[in-house]
Amino acid sequence: NAGVTQTPKFRILKIGQSMTLQCAQDMNHNYMYWYRQDPGMGLKLIYYSVGAGITDKGEVPNGYNVSRSTTEDFPLRLELAAPSQTSVYFCASSYQGAYNEQFFGPGTRLTVL
Amino acid sequence: AQKVTQAQTEISVVEKEDVTLDCVYETRDTTYYLFWYKQPPSGELVFLIRRNSFDEQNEISGRYSWNFQKSTSSFNFTITASQVVDSAVYFCALSEGGGTSYGKLTFGQGTILTVHP
Repeated sequence: NAGVTQTPKFRILKIGQSMTLQCAQDMNHNYMYWYRQDPGMGLKLIYYSVGAGITDKGEVPNGYNVSRSTTEDFPLRLELAAPSQTSVYFCASSYQGAYNEQFFGPGTRLTVL
Repeated sequence: AQKVTQAQTEISVVEKEDVTLDCVYETRDTTYYLFWYKQPPSGELVFLIRRNSFDEQNEISGRYSWNFQKSTSSFNFTITASQVVDSAVYFCALSEGGGTSYGKLTFGQGTILTVHP
């Protein structure tokens, strides 16, 4: 099993550009999450999904969008990138909600200049 | 709203010293889950332990031990005889157990542990 994979690993964007961060998992997990980690800070939840076609906002959703058309994939879309979106983005998945640990991808380091 | 506080931003120790990382949490739920994750210099997050709110037994796994005390809302992590490979950022996290929680994690700010040879 590859676990949770994320692409790209690194990306530099100019202000106003858009991009999609890809996330996939092969563990047949229903629950998937996107977090961002700013320097010296813990992770903050951007969006989450409890199954294909079901998504909801987390703590810091502004400037992002998600979709979940399959169990495996959970892409994160950044529209009109801003310097405040410079961060490391982590995708995670779990079998089912609160009790189960989340498995994290390797992260995408995004810089917006 | 739930909150996790890791008051120690950075800790520096010499190899073989014992070190305790503090975690204090706030939640209104009676059912909740606490986690510790390790983030080594390579950047990935590695799950270490989960504890539910009804189980206050302490746990030991090799050189790692965890002390959960509901009375003080704390879930502290101790590394005995620290090693250089323990150098990492350690995160404490909380998930509320209610039906609409969906496992959403609230993380503490993290503690940077540096173990010197």
